[in-house]
Amino acid sequence: GAVVSQHPSRVICKSGTSVKIECRSLDFQATTMFWYRQFPKQSLMLMATSNEGSKATYEQGVEKDKFLINHASLTLSTLTVTSAHPEDSSFYICSASSPIQETQYFGPGTRLLVL
Amino acid sequence: AQSVSQHNHHVILSEAASLELGCNYSYGGTVNLFWYVQYPGQHLQLLLKYFSGDPLVKGIKGFEAEFIKSKFSFNLRKPSVQWSDTAEYFCAVSNYNTDKLIFGTGTRLQVFP
Repeated sequence: GAVVSQHPSRVICKSGTSVKIECRSLDFQATTMFWYRQFPKQSLMLMATSNEGSKATYEQGVEKDKFLINHASLTLSTLTVTSAHPEDSSFYICSASSPIQETQYFGPGTRLLVL
Repeated sequence: AQSVSQHNHHVILSEAASLELGCNYSYGGTVNLFWYVQYPGQHLQLLLKYFSGDPLVKGIKGFEAEFIKSKFSFNLRKPSVQWSDTAEYFCAVSNYNTDKLIFGTGTRLQVFP
């Protein structure tokens, strides 16, 4: 299957700082990438959908100015958590798909801890 | 709005026992259905999917799922589980014409030797 990577795998930051998470599709061109958030013992909640070269579409309740998403190339999308607060601590997962894939391929996730 | 329910939050089985995990969704239109598995410390992987055709879908590692449209269900089954099946299992749904996935809350399966 297709491979999606995320970097970093875990990050600890101070409250008020910004954190950037990268999502890469390693062996296919991802026209669409998705960003999810997973709280402990809960399901994945879709935050936003990004298509290469266009603005991301955010789900209801997700602050677009806080969670900046960039999908500048067919193999890379970034999520920047701006002015992070402890309540932003979570597991962030990206996935990637393309017209020839019949499903999304998921990255391993990034655990963010904001102190 | 679409939603997905997984009623079994935590299932504990002995090896060789049969498994059935429930998944129900709410949506009146045509849907695509998925089961994903997340082994400890690993990323989500696709187990199987249903788009159309035969409602009994076979996936990897001996898993299968049956789409019953009248019941809005897509239950996952395996006749004989193994210790290596210990993982979190997620059911997911998307509209037939979009990629956007709605996930259930997941079922944690523990299999003891």
